[in-house]
Amino acid sequence: AQSVTQLGSHVSVSEGALVLLRCNYSSSVPPYLFWYVQYPNQGLQLLLKYTSAATLVKGINGFEAEFKKSETSFHLTKPSAHMSDAAEYFCAVSVESNDMRFGAGTRLTVKP
Amino acid sequence: EAGVVQSPRYKIIEKKQPVAFWCNPISGHNTLYWYLQNLGQGPELLIRYENEEAVDDSQLPKDRFSAERLKGVDSTLKIQPAELGDSAVYLCASSLNRGTYEQYFGPGTRLTVT
Repeated sequence: AQSVTQLGSHVSVSEGALVLLRCNYSSSVPPYLFWYVQYPNQGLQLLLKYTSAATLVKGINGFEAEFKKSETSFHLTKPSAHMSDAAEYFCAVSVESNDMRFGAGTRLTVKP
Repeated sequence: EAGVVQSPRYKIIEKKQPVAFWCNPISGHNTLYWYLQNLGQGPELLIRYENEEAVDDSQLPKDRFSAERLKGVDSTLKIQPAELGDSAVYLCASSLNRGTYEQYFGPGTRLTVT
């Protein structure tokens, strides 16, 4: 069965610094990969998704992620962190229209 | 376009009491999901509906949990009786159909069992 592992339950960056949130997946067939963001007391919002087209995927709020099959990774990046980026981020995988499996999440803190 | 609506947003009950959560998906979305999210963890699927049919309920604890989706639109998730360990956030999501992959989430219902 497919799964994802998010490395680092907490990440702290300064405002304006690079954001890097790590996600590795496990799947025996080509996966579909997603990043979701969750603000306090809210549901999950889709940031971006990889569905076997371009390996570099651009999402909302300046985020992007690169699918690397050789490394089984789908890391999320943003060149310059903003205070409003502070939230919980979830990586998820789906295979052949099966349901999504979510990682445990990474809490991003942005320091002024 | 309205998003996924859930109510109530918060619920506090005593153990052994029943509780119900309601979800209204995005109009036209055939697939509806209920997820359980424990504190500090990602969502875990409880049940998935394709229209009014529950097609994946393997993770639903059927001794105390039940769900229904009348007329393939709104859905209700019930717990009876609730246990302390049921304290969590219950998320509802919908998608146009199973093949579209993109799921839209509601704000969730935070349940506290005392």
